[in-house]
Amino acid sequence: GEDVEQSLFLSVREGDSSVINCTYTDSSSTYLYWYKQEPGAGLQLLTYIFSNMDMKQDQRLTVLLNKKDKHLSLRIADTQTGDSAIYFCAESSPGGTASKLTFGTGTRLQVTL
Amino acid sequence: GAVVSQHPSRVICKSGTSVKIECRSLDFQATTMFWYRQFPKQSLMLMATSNEGSKATYEQGVEKDKFLINHASLTLSTLTVTSAHPEDSSFYICSAISGASTDTQYFGPGTRLTVL
Repeated sequence: GEDVEQSLFLSVREGDSSVINCTYTDSSSTYLYWYKQEPGAGLQLLTYIFSNMDMKQDQRLTVLLNKKDKHLSLRIADTQTGDSAIYFCAESSPGGTASKLTFGTGTRLQVTL
Repeated sequence: GAVVSQHPSRVICKSGTSVKIECRSLDFQATTMFWYRQFPKQSLMLMATSNEGSKATYEQGVEKDKFLINHASLTLSTLTVTSAHPEDSSFYICSAISGASTDTQYFGPGTRLTVL
């Protein structure tokens, strides 16, 4: 079955770059996603990458995909205190009329002054 | 665009009662909605997939008679937790897919259920 792994915790200083890593196992994944969850809230879609792409940049966010190693990363440039949250990667697996998402374990990002 | 709402945001109920949670897509028609459960400091676990006008598909280990799902229209799905028990206390999150994309899920803000 699918298994998506992330490191549990990351602490960075304000202004530095954050890199959150994710490994997945399902080679048939079509899209890979990054979601942000603030305390007591739902998930906010940050960005996604199609499985045949290597990189995608969207303002302060850069997603890198190494399909051979099944490794996905999210880089946040100039990290701000408002970026403190839990970040989930997710892979979509084809399934009938709509793809299912398998979520990683989540990485808690703490931004310090 | 692609806004999903949930109601209520927080509910406290007594053991043995039933609780209904609504999930609405506000600015698009959702052909498919998903219901997830999240325990504290854990990831999201998919409970069921709900397609408009048909029966929901439940994940292994999820009791369909306990977690009733109704997707009556293209903008509304409901999850009813029947005969709730304290172990049903959790954060329930729904997501929706628009007809324009079969892959990108947009999530609601979640409902915190506490069963006393």
